[in-house]
Amino acid sequence: KAGVTQTPRYLIKTRGQQVTLSCSPISGHRSVSWYQQTPGQGLQFLFEYFSETQRNKGNFPGRFSGRQFSNSRSEMNVSTLELGDSALYLCASSLSGGDGYTFGSGTRLTVV
Amino acid sequence: QQQVKQSPQSLIVQKGGISIINCAYENTAFDYFPWYQQFPGKGPALLIAIRPDVSEKKEGRFTISFNKSAKQFSLHIMDSQPGDSATYFCAASVASGGSYIPTFGRGTSLIVHP
Repeated sequence: KAGVTQTPRYLIKTRGQQVTLSCSPISGHRSVSWYQQTPGQGLQFLFEYFSETQRNKGNFPGRFSGRQFSNSRSEMNVSTLELGDSALYLCASSLSGGDGYTFGSGTRLTVV
Repeated sequence: QQQVKQSPQSLIVQKGGISIINCAYENTAFDYFPWYQQFPGKGPALLIAIRPDVSEKKEGRFTISFNKSAKQFSLHIMDSQPGDSATYFCAASVASGGSYIPTFGRGTSLIVHP
């Protein structure tokens, strides 16, 4: 059974650019959540999608957005990148959003 | 405001020893408390979880102790092994729109010396 797949694994972008990260959940999982992990702030919840609808949202600026497709695959987008956006971005999936999230290995984003 | 406080930040134990990580929460609406284990270069993996209607849950060498009145819970790793060396995160969740979105503690870096 394949796990949660995130692409790309590493990314280097310049301030002001935008970036799109991709997440393929475990087959059958309909809930996909995104997290930002930094040494300073730890793991912070960005948003959760279920059946193509954003169901929950964390306290991040509007530059952070996401979407989910009919096959449950999800993308997150960060526009107008700032140095502080450098982080490990993690995607997690679950059957319905209840307990038992499975995380991917993340995308390491570096903004220079 | 840090809703879930985790301590210690780092922990070093000898092989065979007991590792204890503590967490405290403020929001009494939290009703699901998972622990995650994260190895370098990997995402967190669910280790064990507890709901507030029980005071203890054990799975192999891992035990969660839960004190609802004190709003505290802890992870005990018995017979700690070098392979347990990782970062451990406690979390607390409350149902929101059909999901249990975890609020994570800051993490504990555990090193088990052989």
